[in-house]
Amino acid sequence: EPEVTQTPSHQVTQMGQEVILRCVPISNHLYFYWYRQILGQKVEFLVSFYNNEISEKSEIFDDQFSVERPDGSNFTLKIRSTKLEDSAMYFCASRTTIRADTQYFGPGTRLTVL
Amino acid sequence: QKEVEQDPGPLSVPEGAIVSLNCTYSNSAFQYFMWYRQYSRKGPELLMYTYSSGNKEDGRFTAQVDKSSKYISLFIRDSQPSDSATYLCAMIPDFSGGYNKLIFGAGTRLAVHP
Repeated sequence: EPEVTQTPSHQVTQMGQEVILRCVPISNHLYFYWYRQILGQKVEFLVSFYNNEISEKSEIFDDQFSVERPDGSNFTLKIRSTKLEDSAMYFCASRTTIRADTQYFGPGTRLTVL
Repeated sequence: QKEVEQDPGPLSVPEGAIVSLNCTYSNSAFQYFMWYRQYSRKGPELLMYTYSSGNKEDGRFTAQVDKSSKYISLFIRDSQPSDSATYLCAMIPDFSGGYNKLIFGAGTRLAVHP
């Protein structure tokens, strides 16, 4: 069964460094999302992406964040200058055009900022 | 008032018990309701979704929505140790925006002991 994959599974970085989190959505999906989950807190929406542009973003998704679909398969989240409070699990999700209610989540990348 | 409220638990039940998990919400614009299951350090996995008030059954799982009370439930019959996980309710506002970000509850941690 097709699935969303994410790499790396765990990323450790120093405060102020740039990180890129990578996702490979399910191949026929056209809507892509990033969510994050700080330890012990709820899953929060960051950004949605469709037709090669951001369709919606949350207050969390400030100028330090960016997303890109550099080719036909990858979807990336970049944090330019990481802060301690960026430490969280980051989940990528994707869905088809037809099934708007069904988002498939990847296993997540655990980001630790020291 | 939070948009989606969910008791974080933990909830501990014996194997075979009926489990009831609940969420309340404040925004009547929510039209689509989902339940996700999340195992430790994994991504959320969609269990059930529903659009309207009433019940929807899938095997041992029943999702119930009461829009007049802004209250949704997930019932698990004949609970098994493998059901031990965190259960997240999630909602989508109406589709006017089209991109369908999910709004999650905090998640209820369930432990089913043999």
